Parts: sequence; C-alpha cells; structure tokens
Amino acid sequence: DQQVKQNSPSLSVQEGRISILNCDYTNSMFDYFLWYKKYPAEGPTFLISISSIKDKNEDGRFTVFLNKSAKHLSLHIVPSQPGDSAVYFCAAIDQGGKLIFGQGTELSVKP
Amino acid sequence: DTAVSQTPKYLVTQMGNDKSIKCEQNLGHDTMYWYKQDSKKFLKIMFSYNNKELIINETVPNRFSPKSPDKAHLNLHINSLELGDSAVYFCASSPIQGAGTGELFFGEGSRLTVL
Repeated sequence: DQQVKQNSPSLSVQEGRISILNCDYTNSMFDYFLWYKKYPAEGPTFLISISSIKDKNEDGRFTVFLNKSAKHLSLHIVPSQPGDSAVYFCAAIDQGGKLIFGQGTELSVKP
Repeated sequence: DTAVSQTPKYLVTQMGNDKSIKCEQNLGHDTMYWYKQDSKKFLKIMFSYNNKELIINETVPNRFSPKSPDKAHLNLHINSLELGDSAVYFCASSPIQGAGTGELFFGEGSRLTVL
C-alpha cells in the first residue's frame, strides 16, 4: 500500500505560468515532507522541504504548501521555466526515519 | 567530480545470472542506501547502511545482498536474477542516520534489464 501518492503522472505548463504539483499521503504520523527533482539519466536531487509545524515554505520560485488536515501537499513553481522540465517526486519521512517516495509527476514547461 | 557514483549504468543479463552493482560516495557521509524504482515509478528503499552497519532491510528477497566494505562504498549483489528484478537501482547517501531532514544525495541510477 503506497503511503505517498502523486496522482498526476504528467503536467504541461506554458513558460512564465504557474506549475502546481500535488501529492497526497495517508499516514498522519509523517512530520517532514520533501520534494525532489529528477532530470533524465540523473538521480533525484533535493529541492525543498517542509516540516509539519509549518504550512508553507518558500525558496525563490519554489513554494511548498502543506495541508495536514487534508493530508495533502503541493509544490508551486512561479514563474515556470523550460529548465524546470523534469520529474518531481514528493516524499515523506516515516517514524523509522525512512524516506517514502511517491511515483513522480513529469512536468513539461513549454516555451 | 561525481559525489555518488554507480557502476554500471546499464546492465542487460539473462534470468538466473548473478550480477553486482557498485556504489561509491566521496561526500564523507556515514549513511548509504539502495533504492529501487520499479515499473510503476515508485522509489522504494531496499537497504540502508550506517558506517558499514546494516540499519534498514526492507522486505527484499534474500537473493539481494548488500555489502559495505567501508563507509564510502555500498555494493549490491543479486543472485539468480528474475524478470521482476528489472528496474532502475539508485544508490544514495546522507550525512546522518535515519534520513535526518531527508536530504539524500543520489547516484545516476543503474538500469538493470533481465531477459
């Protein structure tokens, strides 16, 4: 049973517009969440994180929002750039310290 | 200079064979991991080692045997390969045990295809 899910396998956005990537989780004990970015033929790289004591964390063009009651988080990219085209993985740290990943959403930003 | 490097990047082999994937990190991290990305694209943890000691061993068949000769290396040996072992295997490292704040450093992945 997958505890972290990204239900949109792909997303296409125009350059300059906002990209919103969504993630849902089932375990209410998760208290730290992360987004990773992955280019083809490369490993995932850490992008941004958020603790459950916050509902928003911002880093430049990237903002992560956490809605604990809905067990939902989202990553906003504003403005989107063609170089943002990649697969984005949502992840959560479980009680044992393991990183649990979703299946990724492939973002395509078109010029 | 690559921080986490895996070899080989691609591996095609027959069912029943034994193969190994090697991983090395030059970040000075204490903890290393193996993750498997299956056909459904989920990245799932297989093993975690902290300073050469096995910390996490998920429900992985015992045909998979990790070996950590030192804290900079974590190799994965797979015996009697099966079709279902076809996947991309990622090595990763982190500075502290238990994923800490979750910032793992991944290698480029090794795509294993079992025919």
